[in-house]
Amino acid sequence: AQSVTQLDSQVPVFEEAPVELRCNYSSSVSVYLFWYVQYPNQGLQLLLKYLSGSTLVKGINGFEAEFNKSQTSFHLRKPSVHISDTAEYFCAVSEGNEKLTFGTGTRLTIIP
Amino acid sequence: GAVVSQHPSRVICKSGTSVKIECRSLDFQATTMFWYRQFPKKSLMLMATSNEGSKATYEQGVEKDKFLINHASLTLSTLTVTSAHPEDSSFYICSAEGADRGSLSEQYFGPGTRLTVT
Repeated sequence: AQSVTQLDSQVPVFEEAPVELRCNYSSSVSVYLFWYVQYPNQGLQLLLKYLSGSTLVKGINGFEAEFNKSQTSFHLRKPSVHISDTAEYFCAVSEGNEKLTFGTGTRLTIIP
Repeated sequence: GAVVSQHPSRVICKSGTSVKIECRSLDFQATTMFWYRQFPKKSLMLMATSNEGSKATYEQGVEKDKFLINHASLTLSTLTVTSAHPEDSSFYICSAEGADRGSLSEQYFGPGTRLTVT
């Protein structure tokens, strides 16, 4: 069975500093990987996804993530954060059967 | 495009009553809709998958007679929590998958419904 671990429940970062949100997964088969963002009182929005091909995936709002098969990781990064990036971030995995398994989320707080 | 709405956004009901939550895809047809439950500081847990015109597929441990799902059209799915109890209080989120988006479609999420059972 697939599972996702987001070790950091909260990450405070100063504005314009870089950030990395960690995500590790476990699965016995090939996977598809996703990062979603949830702003207050809004639904989840897809940031980026890895299906195949290049292991470095670029998404919206300047975010990117790198798929590392040997480390079973899919960490999310942004070189310079903005106040508007304050939100909850969820990593998710799918084994290609449409079902998404989510991590517990990381709350990113940007400090002015 | 690809907007999903949920109604109501918040609902408070008394123990023993039933509550219906609607999930609509506003600008696309959704052959498949998903219902999730989110506990505080926990991840989204998939409750069931519903396909238009057929019975929903429930995840292990989810009572299908308690959480009734109907997907009567390509733009509407409903979740009815029957005989609600305080332990059913939670944040319920739906997502919809487009009809024309290939084998691994993107899920578009609604804003969620906060259910409080008193």
